[in-house]
Amino acid sequence: GAGVSQSPSNKVTEKGKDVELRCDPISGHTALYWYRQSLGQGLEFLIYFQGNSAPDKSGLPSDRFSAERTGGSVSTLTIQRTQQEDSAVYLCASSKGGSWDTQYFGPGTRLTVL
Amino acid sequence: GQQLNQSPQSMFIQEGEDVSMNCTSSSIFNTWLWYKQDPGEGPVLLIALYKAGELTSNGRLTAQFGITRKDSFLNISASIPSDVGIYFCAGLTYSGGGADGLTFGKGTHLIIQP
Repeated sequence: GAGVSQSPSNKVTEKGKDVELRCDPISGHTALYWYRQSLGQGLEFLIYFQGNSAPDKSGLPSDRFSAERTGGSVSTLTIQRTQQEDSAVYLCASSKGGSWDTQYFGPGTRLTVL
Repeated sequence: GQQLNQSPQSMFIQEGEDVSMNCTSSSIFNTWLWYKQDPGEGPVLLIALYKAGELTSNGRLTAQFGITRKDSFLNISASIPSDVGIYFCAGLTYSGGGADGLTFGKGTHLIIQP
């Protein structure tokens, strides 16, 4: 597709379950970013992938959160043993090279933990 | 960590009015970005500012990078219904190793009454 796509668009899960969120970046974009947006808040940086370099995981809030990027394209954000405070919109973005100032965002996955 | 204070939190205005919002920080940023987010969508970049004192326009939007590099404002002239949404400022810093990350404000929710 022409833009960044994310799936699912909505996810409702029970506390304690694991969830996987998927991001398909724009073709040819080597950088991929994950953010979390809680209700009424700005975007909180989670993790950044750039090419074959080691990812910047400095924003991950706990060891329950992890992400991988296979083949330099699709990325999966995994949250283990979900908690109610994990409820938020998870946004993915991609850019050419490491251009943080030209990120294109996907529509997000709204996660609700009951 | 770095924080951006964005104000106002929300604005209720009449169609045709001008809008002004701003972001301030105690930290210096190398780049200021302004985004707009529509419901159910990811943020879209409106304006990027790269030099202290820079004033940039994009149609009815005008933004300025403060001379101290610690603040920025966004003005929207002659508002129209499609301007409704949440506007975010974001600051970007760089060090010798590249970008240090993108810090977002909490957003200004713009509501326009016809």
